Order: sequence, then structure tokens, then C-alpha cells
Amino acid sequence: SQTIHQWPATLVQPVGSPLSLECTVEGTSNPNLYWYRQAAGRGLQLLFYSVGIGQISSEVPQNLSASRPQDRQFILSSKKLLLSDSGFYLCACWGGDGYTFGSGTRLTVV
Amino acid sequence: RKEVEQDPGPFNVPEGATVAFNCTYSNSASQSFFWYRQDCRKEPKLLMSVYSSGNEDGRFTAQLNRASQYISLLIRDSKLSDSATYLCVVNRDTGRRALTFGSGTRLQVQP
Repeated sequence: SQTIHQWPATLVQPVGSPLSLECTVEGTSNPNLYWYRQAAGRGLQLLFYSVGIGQISSEVPQNLSASRPQDRQFILSSKKLLLSDSGFYLCACWGGDGYTFGSGTRLTVV
Repeated sequence: RKEVEQDPGPFNVPEGATVAFNCTYSNSASQSFFWYRQDCRKEPKLLMSVYSSGNEDGRFTAQLNRASQYISLLIRDSKLSDSATYLCVVNRDTGRRALTFGSGTRLQVQP
């Protein structure tokens, strides 16, 4: 069955610092991959999705970018974090087992 | 208008109670529908899919009304362990398979 590894679980970063969150998938090949963000008290918002290596679609204009250097690797980045980037970031995969979420990264920008 | 709307709650109910959550969605082309459960500070987990004919899984019953663009979840005989946030989720694009989430309804079951 497919599983998602996402790290770190929590992160505290100063404003203006860079960000790199990584997500890797096991148990499936050529999955659709997604980054979602959940702000405090809000629903999950789709940030990026990818249907294959090097293919990234952005859903909302923002301070973040995503990359997919390998079939089962999805990276979320920022060059300079803003306070508004704080939230719970979830990687998700659509593969042979349907939809699976990673355990999430709770990012606090201070 | 939000694409998926839910009453945020909280719904505070005693153990053993029956509780119902409702959800409306705005895009009539939506293809598939789900209820997810999210515990505090955790990732969402699929509770059940929602089918047009309605479906039941133990104490949980989901209904879909496409004409009214309305989804419901009924929980019977509530347990303490049912306390969580329940997310109404819609897939409006079978190509991307990206999900659109409501902001959730919080349930607190009390002893």
C-alpha cells in the first residue's frame, strides 16, 4: 500500500528565512502529488499539484514554489518566509490506493 | 461564496446521542464526495465516501442530494472517540483529482 513520508513534523522559522519541506511516496508509481495548507481554524487549501516529474501547477498566487525532481519526491520551498506562511502543510498522493495524506508539517514563522 | 460550506460548530452532544452534519457545495459539476475526519493537529483521514443512493458504515450514514447540492453525515450512538472535526470534501475535477475541503464541523462528545 502507498505511504507518504513527510518531514519535519514541526518547524519554527524566522521571517525572511528560506524553507524546504520534503515529501516522498512509497508503494505506488507515477502518482499525482499535492501540497495543501491549513491555516488555523480554516479548511485545507490546495497550493500545488503535480502529475509527473517536473510538472507543477500552482493553484493560488503566493510566496511558495514546488518542485518534483523524481517520480516519488515532492518539495515545497520558499526563498523568504512571511508571517502569513504559518500553517499546517500536508503532502498528499493520488495513486493505486486512492488518496493518502502525509502526517503534515506544522510551520510557525516568527 | 466558499465552494464547500459547513457549519463550524462546535456541536456538543452527550454520549449515545445522534448528531447530523450538513454541507453544501457550489459547483454542480462536482464528481465525487467524501467525509473526512481530522483529529487535533493531525492529518485528515477518510471516514467514508458518499454515494448518490446514500450509504452506511456502522454508526455512520452519508447522504447526497445532487439536485440541492447538499451532503449530510449522520452519526448514531455517539462515542467519546467520535470527538473530532469532520470535513466535507468534494472532487470537482477527475483529471487533477484534487480535493476541495470544507473548513470542517467540530464535534465534542461529552460523557
